[in-house]
Amino acid sequence: DGGITQSPKYLFRKEGQNVTLSCEQNLNHDAMYWYRQDPGQGLRLIYYSQIVNDFQKGDIAEGYSVSREKKESFPLTVTSAQKNPTAFYLCASWGVYSNQPQHFGDGTRLSIL
Amino acid sequence: QQPVQSPQAVILREGEDAVINCSSSKALYSVHWYRQKHGEAPVFLMILLKGGEQKGHEKISASFNEKKQQSSLYLTASQLSYSGTYFCGTERTTGNQFYFGTGTSLTVIP
Repeated sequence: DGGITQSPKYLFRKEGQNVTLSCEQNLNHDAMYWYRQDPGQGLRLIYYSQIVNDFQKGDIAEGYSVSREKKESFPLTVTSAQKNPTAFYLCASWGVYSNQPQHFGDGTRLSIL
Repeated sequence: QQPVQSPQAVILREGEDAVINCSSSKALYSVHWYRQKHGEAPVFLMILLKGGEQKGHEKISASFNEKKQQSSLYLTASQLSYSGTYFCGTERTTGNQFYFGTGTSLTVIP
């Protein structure tokens, strides 16, 4: 079955540490997105990528970095510059030209130790 | 940039109806609607393309007024399972940018 997989489900970060959240899809979608969701809040766009080796900043990109070396993979690194990383992170993929919905992974919940 | 939804929160009794609105300041190509349960990923409900088409999904339907850059989600005869947070997602006419709305918390009580 096609889908989108995020790992890990839970992640803990120590002060000054960088952590990487994984996102893999086998839907053959060109576009991939990272969202951050704080408790009781909406989904805010961190980064998105429409093609391999290209990505754009969203509204809250500071303290985060991404790469898109393969179509299937779009990892997100939460750097030590992100002072308040505790949140629920959602990855999505989208077949932009096929009028299809965004497909979401199950999310990663990141907390500070 | 982010579409604005109204109301922010609504409480319904089972069987009552509700309307959730989504407004954008930018020209839109499509509007998506999703429902999210606490701690879970959003679940797709429906997509509307520009052209004012109204779509239905069980007792949930939606409309899209592209001239006003607005969409409305209609929930009729609400069920307990309808509880959650509803988000619209908008695709602009150019650039393939996609933004989620501010969200509407809907609670259905017996």
